[in-house]
Amino acid sequence: EAGVAQSPRYKIIEKRQSVAFWCNPISGHATLYWYQQILGQGPKLLIQFQNNGVVDDSQLPKDRFSAERLKGVDSTLKIQPAKLEDSAVYLCASSPLDRSYGYTFGSGTRLTVV
Amino acid sequence: DQQVKQNSPSLSVQEGRISILNCDYTNSMFDYFLWYKKYPAEGPTFLISISSIKDKNEDGRFTVFLNKSAKHLSLHIVPSQPGDSAVYFCAASGRTGTYKYIFGTGTRLKVLA
Repeated sequence: EAGVAQSPRYKIIEKRQSVAFWCNPISGHATLYWYQQILGQGPKLLIQFQNNGVVDDSQLPKDRFSAERLKGVDSTLKIQPAKLEDSAVYLCASSPLDRSYGYTFGSGTRLTVV
Repeated sequence: DQQVKQNSPSLSVQEGRISILNCDYTNSMFDYFLWYKKYPAEGPTFLISISSIKDKNEDGRFTVFLNKSAKHLSLHIVPSQPGDSAVYFCAASGRTGTYKYIFGTGTRLKVLA
């Protein structure tokens, strides 16, 4: 089966600019996650979708970050405006409803804000 | 508030020997645990899981042990191989409907040939 696709792989932007990341999960996976991984830290959940509804966005900085999952499939994560501390790898993951299978992660988007 | 902790940022082991990676958690509501392996420039890949109803789960060279009273789990790799060199994350999930996983900070394992 095809894995979780993410694009772009790398992005460099100046602070205060905006950026968007795209994720296509594994077909049939109901749950989609966006994680932020800052260098030297573990992945931190930003937002979790089940189908096209948000079930957890408690750690999403909503003043600058937004995410949507149209039609319960693809998802986009946007940052506007970006800050230096947003430099990180943004990981998308998907899973079936049964959590015992864990997540399948994409390769991530490495964002550098200068 | 770091609910999942991996206190060893790095570990070096000789090829063929046992690698033991440790993870501690603080939330007694966690009841499902995963280990992930991550190579540079790749996303984490699922390795092995364990439910709180068990104290051990084995898959080939990988075994995860869970000590609920100590809120501690460990991943044993026997025998260690150079291809096992990667960053290992443990993750924990609680008995809530969202089933989100909280990750530790990772341990970088280096297996020396």
